[in-house]
Amino acid sequence: DAGVIQSPRHEVTEMGQEVTLRCKPISGHDYLFWYRQTMMRGLELLIYFNNNVPIDDSGMPEDRFSAKMPNASFSTLKIQPSEPRDSAVYFCASSPHWVLRGGNTGELFFGEGSRLTVL
Amino acid sequence: GQQVMQIPQYQHVQEGEDFTTYCNSSTTLSNIQWYKQRPGGHPVFLIQLVKSGEVKKQKRLTFQFGEAKKNSSLHITATQTTDVGTYFCAGRGSGSARQLTFGSGTQLTVLP
Repeated sequence: DAGVIQSPRHEVTEMGQEVTLRCKPISGHDYLFWYRQTMMRGLELLIYFNNNVPIDDSGMPEDRFSAKMPNASFSTLKIQPSEPRDSAVYFCASSPHWVLRGGNTGELFFGEGSRLTVL
Repeated sequence: GQQVMQIPQYQHVQEGEDFTTYCNSSTTLSNIQWYKQRPGGHPVFLIQLVKSGEVKKQKRLTFQFGEAKKNSSLHITATQTTDVGTYFCAGRGSGSARQLTFGSGTQLTVLP
């Protein structure tokens, strides 16, 4: 398996532009998570999906952020309009099970991340 | 909400010295996971602890879960340069708070 695939790996854009980050989870995983990592705030959970349905988006910073999961193999995180304070590494992660079930650890498999710089 | 504190934030050790990072939760956890992130990389799962007082070992790494299931530690014996990276704990709440909350991480530097 190729693991969680994210694109783009790097994005440099100007303030006010729309940014779309993409994620392909590991096939068969029920859960998909979007995290943001910065030096100041560490790893923050933005939103997660279970079977393509958004479950908790309380971590989404504001209305400029939106996430979708149209099918089991694809998710997007969109920022519109982008601002310099959105500069961070955005990680997508998937998990086969989140709640401990039959000994499954519910571990997260992270993608390599998308490094976003907003000028 | 659930908070997970991790100390120290940074640790520099000489190769061969031991290293320990500590994790404390504001609430009782159902389980705790540990991840390692190499510089420029992504977090990679190391282990999960579930039972009160549980101790698990992976070669030179020893993981402990506190009796009250509110704290955990990772100890590395005789560090090597390959141990360089940031170590995160991630606690999963009990009851309705099932989110996995990451600690702030401990960045380990190993000097050759």
